[in-house]
Amino acid sequence: KAGVTQTPRYLIKTRGQQVTLSCSPISGHRSVSWYQQTPGQGLQFLFEYFSETQRNKGNFPGRFSGRQFSNSRSEMNVSTLELGDSALYLCASSFFSGEAFFGQGTRLTVV
Amino acid sequence: AQKITQTQPGMFVQEKEAVTLDCTYDTSDQSYGLFWYKQPSSGEMIFLIYQGSYDEQNATEGRYSLNFQKARKSANLVISASQLGDSAMYFCAMRVKLAGGTSYGKLTFGQGTILTVHP
Repeated sequence: KAGVTQTPRYLIKTRGQQVTLSCSPISGHRSVSWYQQTPGQGLQFLFEYFSETQRNKGNFPGRFSGRQFSNSRSEMNVSTLELGDSALYLCASSFFSGEAFFGQGTRLTVV
Repeated sequence: AQKITQTQPGMFVQEKEAVTLDCTYDTSDQSYGLFWYKQPSSGEMIFLIYQGSYDEQNATEGRYSLNFQKARKSANLVISASQLGDSAMYFCAMRVKLAGGTSYGKLTFGQGTILTVHP
């Protein structure tokens, strides 16, 4: 059974640009959550999607958005990038049991 | 709101010895899950073990066991027979079951413990 796949693994973007990250969950998992990890703030919840609907949202500005497609794949978009958006972005997929499995992450560097 | 506290920023252990990583949690919810993840320097967050709040037995997965003490709100991870490949950051996390009982909320993480295994 394939795990959670995140693409791309690494990204370098310039301030002001926008970026789209992708996450394909484990087959059969309908819940996809996104987390941002930085050395200063640790792991912070961005949002969760279930069956194409945003079910939960963290405390991030509107520049951070996401969506989920009918095949449960999810994308996360960050517009007008700032230096502080440099982070490891992790995606987790869950089934009904509550256990959450993560992908390898996308390391975003904003210069 | 939920809170996870990991009081050990760093731990050292000799290869083949056992080590306990501490985790305490705070929640007013009755139904929740507790997790431990391993994060090597590559960044991937690897699921290790899960304990449900109503599980009476402590969870075990190979060399990993979770010492769950509900009254003390602690969920310590025990790694037996440490290996060099166990050197990594370890995170304790929890998520509560939402009203309606069919879904879970976000994962709340502790600050992590860096484990170093010496040969």
